[in-house]
Order: sequence, then C-alpha cells, then structure tokens
Amino acid sequence: SQTIHQWPATLVQPVGSPLSLECTVEGTSNPNLYWYRQAAGRGLQLLFYSVGIGQISSEVPQNLSASRPQDRQFILSSKKLLLSDSGFYLCAWSRGTGGEDEKLFFGSGTQLSVL
Amino acid sequence: DAKTTQPTSMDCAEGRAANLPCNHSTISGNEYVYWYRQIHSQGPQYIIHGLKNNETNEMASLIITEDRKSSTLILPHATLRDTAVYYCIVRALTSYNTDKLIFGTGTRLQVFP
Repeated sequence: SQTIHQWPATLVQPVGSPLSLECTVEGTSNPNLYWYRQAAGRGLQLLFYSVGIGQISSEVPQNLSASRPQDRQFILSSKKLLLSDSGFYLCAWSRGTGGEDEKLFFGSGTQLSVL
Repeated sequence: DAKTTQPTSMDCAEGRAANLPCNHSTISGNEYVYWYRQIHSQGPQYIIHGLKNNETNEMASLIITEDRKSSTLILPHATLRDTAVYYCIVRALTSYNTDKLIFGTGTRLQVFP
C-alpha cells in the first residue's frame, strides 16, 4: 500500500532563518506531488505541484521554493522565512492519471510558526 | 478561486443524519464533484465523488441535483468523530497528468452528543 511521510510535525523558526520541509511517498512510482499551505482559519492554498523529477510548477509567487530531487521526494524550502510564512503545510500525492478516480492523498502536515 | 459555495458552519446531533450542502452553479458538463474532509490538525481525506448520478460508499452518500448546480453530502449517522471541515470541490477530468484541486474554506461540521 502507499504511504506518505512528512516531517517535522511542528517547527518553530525565527524570522530570516532558512526552511526545509521534506515529504516522501512509498509504494508508488511517478506520482504527482503537491505542497499546500493553510493559514489559521483559512482554506488550503496550493503552492507547488510536480509531475516528475525536476519539474516544478508554482501556483503563487512567494518566498518559498520547491524541489523534487527524486521520484518520490518533494522538498519545500525558503532562504529567509517571513512572519507570513507561518501556517500548516501539507504535502500530497496523486497517481496522475487525470481520470475520474484521481484522488489526493495527504500527509499529516507540518505546523510552522515563524517568530 | 474555488468554484463552490458552502455554509461556513453546521451543527448536527450524534446519531442523526448530517446533510452538507454545496452550490456549484457554474459547473461544466465535464466537471465532477468531490468531497474531502479535514479533521483538526490532519491532512484532508477523500470521501466521495460523482458526476450526475447519486453515489454511496461506506463513508457517505452524495446527492447531485438534476441540473448539477448543487449537491448534498449525507453522513447518515453522524458520530463525534465526524466533526471536521468538509470541502466540496469541482474538478474536470484532464488529458494531462496534473490535478490541481482548489479547496475553498469548506463547512465546519460540529457533531454534538
């Protein structure tokens, strides 16, 4: 069966510090990978998605970047965190078939607090 | 922008049916309706989806109006563990292998004893 791992679960970082969140998927190959962010009391905002190694699409201009160095690894980074980067970050994967049964499977999330 | 409109919050008594409405008046003919839910501090979880026929699975039922401009997610016997934010999403099938689901703010369902 497929599983998705996301870490760390919580993170407190000072303003201006770097960020690296990692997500890995097991049990499938060539998945689509996604990073979402959820600010307190808000809906989910799609940040990045990837359909393959080295292929990253950005949905929202921001202080963050994403990379996919391996087929099942997705990394969210920042060189200098801002207060507005605080939120709940979720990694997700899908099979990428585009068909009716295409579903998103989410990780458990990382609660990031920038102070 | 999300293509759906949902009430901000709803309450439901434990053991009763929870009926969560969703308006998607601009839905296109090739767009499906999907429902996900997010329990506090967890990632969203897929519940059910449909095109125009009513659907049922082990988690819920989905009723889509004949004109497809609205739908209702039904949890037949709500439990306290069903307390969550429920998202209604419309999605078109694509010939590409990308799938960008756009989540709105959803409906916060509170099930009380």
